[in-house]
Amino acid sequence: EVQLVQSGAEVKKPGESLKISCKGSGYSFTTYWLGWVRQMPGKGLEWMGIIYPGDSDTRYSPSFQGQVTISADKSISTAYLQWSSLKASDTAMYYCATRTSSDWWTFDYWGQGTLVAVSS
Amino acid sequence: QSALTQPPSVSGSPGQSVTISCTGTSSDVGSYNRVSWYQQPPGTAPKLMIYEVSYRPSGVPDRFSGSKSGNTASLTISGLQAEDEAEYYCSSYTSRSTLVFGGGTKLTVL
Repeated sequence: EVQLVQSGAEVKKPGESLKISCKGSGYSFTTYWLGWVRQMPGKGLEWMGIIYPGDSDTRYSPSFQGQVTISADKSISTAYLQWSSLKASDTAMYYCATRTSSDWWTFDYWGQGTLVAVSS
Repeated sequence: QSALTQPPSVSGSPGQSVTISCTGTSSDVGSYNRVSWYQQPPGTAPKLMIYEVSYRPSGVPDRFSGSKSGNTASLTISGLQAEDEAEYYCSSYTSRSTLVFGGGTKLTVL
């Protein structure tokens, strides 16, 4: 069974750094693209970017380029989403998602989400 | 990249059919059959309902169907059931090799 298990909720202050994780199991983690999606409170889904864990090839949405870093450690089947300096506007639910085929533009497996709250 | 345009809300009675539209441009929906639809009940992660315009993943009822004409994709739910009440999002591959979502449509089953 394909599973994506995300790290727990975080409460941080503006300016702090953060790295959240998404551990894949039940499939070949290195073979398929994995993406990150943001959902701000009461708002819609936003595509942030994707990574191919096999070689860490990464693509970002222009809206998120330079704002976050997507990475992966294939040795432990885990992908990461990282901020160096959080803002209040980063408060959101973040989902990781994957597609167990070559078409990365569709996600058929989703993590449970990680809630990030940034407040002074 | 602007979000795809969806109606904020649609509604229907049990047993009826509803259609949700998703309008993009010639740089996304209009040029690629890479449109997906997701269902998101409150407090849960999205679930894939349709991919590549009209294909249903295993386990999705055949009451859900997708189509596309020009720059607009559509999701039709026939034989509405109470359990269909949720937010629905479309997404499309773009000419910049990115993905864009629609703003979401809240489906209310009356």
